[in-house]
Amino acid sequence: DAEITQSPRHKITETGRQVTLACHQTWNHNNMFWYRQDLGHGLRLIHYSYGVQDTNKGEVSDGYSVSRSNTEDLPLTLESAASSQTSVYFCASQPDSTYNEQFFGPGTRLTVL
Amino acid sequence: AQKITQTQPGMFVQEKEAVTLDCTYDTSDQSYGLFWYKQPSSGEMIFLIYQGSYDEQNATEGRYSLNFQKARKSANLVISASQLGDSAMYFCAMREGWNSGGSNYKLTFGKGTLLTVNP
Repeated sequence: DAEITQSPRHKITETGRQVTLACHQTWNHNNMFWYRQDLGHGLRLIHYSYGVQDTNKGEVSDGYSVSRSNTEDLPLTLESAASSQTSVYFCASQPDSTYNEQFFGPGTRLTVL
Repeated sequence: AQKITQTQPGMFVQEKEAVTLDCTYDTSDQSYGLFWYKQPSSGEMIFLIYQGSYDEQNATEGRYSLNFQKARKSANLVISASQLGDSAMYFCAMREGWNSGGSNYKLTFGKGTLLTVNP
């Protein structure tokens, strides 16, 4: 079955370290998204991509970057982790239809000490 | 201004009763879509129901229905015959602004409503 996976599921890191969260989908969807979820804020969009080599900033992109070298993967990098980036991170993908829902990965819980 | 407003941080309902979770939205676009997702305590995001701005009938999916009132810009989720497994966080989300020549697949989420179903 097609799916979307995230790794690691849990990570603890230290302030200032570079961290990369992986997202992999097997649906061959062009559209992929990264969100962070914080209490009281719902889900907020960090970055998104509509295809290979395409990346765009979302609402809360400062301190994050993404790259899209193939259809299946959209890794999220925290260049220099900060305690404010402690959160749950969700990756999502979607086919090329505005009527379709987004399919979410299981999430990564990141703690920055 | 918030694009999606969920005014109920928490709701309680008795098992087997119906419950309405409120969602109001703000957009100036004519083409948009509204989504509801469920997040149980295990953390995954589960899609429930979709309503397009041009859909004339309210969307329904099993025990879930969407009470869409376009003039009031509201898209409330109705869960009929609540079950204990319905206890979860519920998020309303909107996709807006697609038109000829361009597509927009981004979602804007509300802050969520935590529903607790009591036995």
